[in-house]
Amino acid sequence: GAGVSQSPSNKVTEKGKDVELRCDPISGHTALYWYRQSLGQGLEFLIYFQGNSAPDKSGLPSDRFSAERTGGSVSTLTIQRTQQEDSAVYLCASSLDWDISGYTFGSGTRLTVV
Amino acid sequence: DQQVKQNSPSLSVQEGRISILNCDYTNSMFDYFLWYKKYPAEGPTFLISISSIKDKNEDGRFTVFLNKSAKHLSLHIVPSQPGDSAVYFCAAKKTSGSRLTFGEGTQLTVNP
Repeated sequence: GAGVSQSPSNKVTEKGKDVELRCDPISGHTALYWYRQSLGQGLEFLIYFQGNSAPDKSGLPSDRFSAERTGGSVSTLTIQRTQQEDSAVYLCASSLDWDISGYTFGSGTRLTVV
Repeated sequence: DQQVKQNSPSLSVQEGRISILNCDYTNSMFDYFLWYKKYPAEGPTFLISISSIKDKNEDGRFTVFLNKSAKHLSLHIVPSQPGDSAVYFCAAKKTSGSRLTFGEGTQLTVNP
């Protein structure tokens, strides 16, 4: 596609349930990133995939968070046993290995845990 | 440890005037800096960037200044337009890798 596509755009879930967030990067982009923006906060790095290398998971806040990238394309971010503090906008971005314009972001998934 | 900081959460300017958004960083390994603009319900979009070998980069109404000794950069928008109203994020990249570290963002409001 022409841009980075994320689904769903909005998700409301009950505390304790698991959620899956999906990201379709720009075709040909080798790098894929997940960030989140909590209310009033900046963009917090979560995880980074680059080609076939092992992902950089250093930003995942707890072991309830995991992500995978299948076939070097689509990525799924999974949050298990959601908590209210997980409520945020989850942003996915992709890029070539490196480009001076950085990343192309999707529109995000707004997750609300009630 | 907030390595990239935008100390002003908001800024309000009149249309036609200059907007100056500031960003400070602490990690001397950062060698490339970017500004992104974000409208509500949209993802951030790239605006302008600067390499650490330069101290200024200009693109139309937007100019980014880098002061390496002070670990400070700023984004100047002149003249400001109401359509510039958005959240502006400063971001930095280390010498190796492509991961970006973002600041907290500054909400710019340009009043007609």
